Amino acid sequence: TQLLEQSPQFLSIQEGENLTVYCNSSSVFSSLQWYRQEPGEGPVLLVTVVTGGEVKKLKRLTFQFGDARKDSSLHITAAQTGDTGLYLCAQTFYGGSQGNLIFGKGTKLSVKP
Amino acid sequence: EAGVAQSPRYKIIEKRQSVAFWCNPISGHATLYWYQQILGQGPKLLIQFQNNGVVDDSQLPKDRFSAERLKGVDSTLKIQPAKLEDSAVYLCASRQWTSGGPGGNEQFFGPGTRLTVL
Repeated sequence: TQLLEQSPQFLSIQEGENLTVYCNSSSVFSSLQWYRQEPGEGPVLLVTVVTGGEVKKLKRLTFQFGDARKDSSLHITAAQTGDTGLYLCAQTFYGGSQGNLIFGKGTKLSVKP
Repeated sequence: EAGVAQSPRYKIIEKRQSVAFWCNPISGHATLYWYQQILGQGPKLLIQFQNNGVVDDSQLPKDRFSAERLKGVDSTLKIQPAKLEDSAVYLCASRQWTSGGPGGNEQFFGPGTRLTVL
């Protein structure tokens, strides 16, 4: 089982600032998902990236999948207090256990007004 | 469309006691997952059901944890007896069907049950 490393572990910024969080693995991802989890709630899917070099945008969030499919990043432009939460990356597994997810430990983001 | 429902939302027990969690997935979702999320970590898969059959329970501590999904809809997860290290949030998720390729169906998570073992 390959490990997903997320960095930074914690991030506290002011509203309006930009930030980038990272997800890395020593092995190639089949595909990667990013989730956001708010306190007291379950994770909610933000995006799935599949192709190396892929870039996806979701309003102020930009997701990149590395060319070698071993890393991914999430960039937030002009952060808002509503962006506060735990950002998790997860690798999807296919084959014997189809569709299973292996999660990283997450980046806990706090956006202060 | 109603989301994944879980109950109770919070549970406090003493070690060596038993506890059960209930999950009702999104209607029509054949695949159901139970995850354990310890504070400061990401969710870890405990068990996956496809309809009423177990697909993957390789990470379920079977000496104390059990789960069932008898009619292929609701599911219960039980811990007996509980240990201090079982304190965590237990998340249930469902998915419409399992896909054989990347970018497959989305998993929808419930709000979780926060278990505290004293």
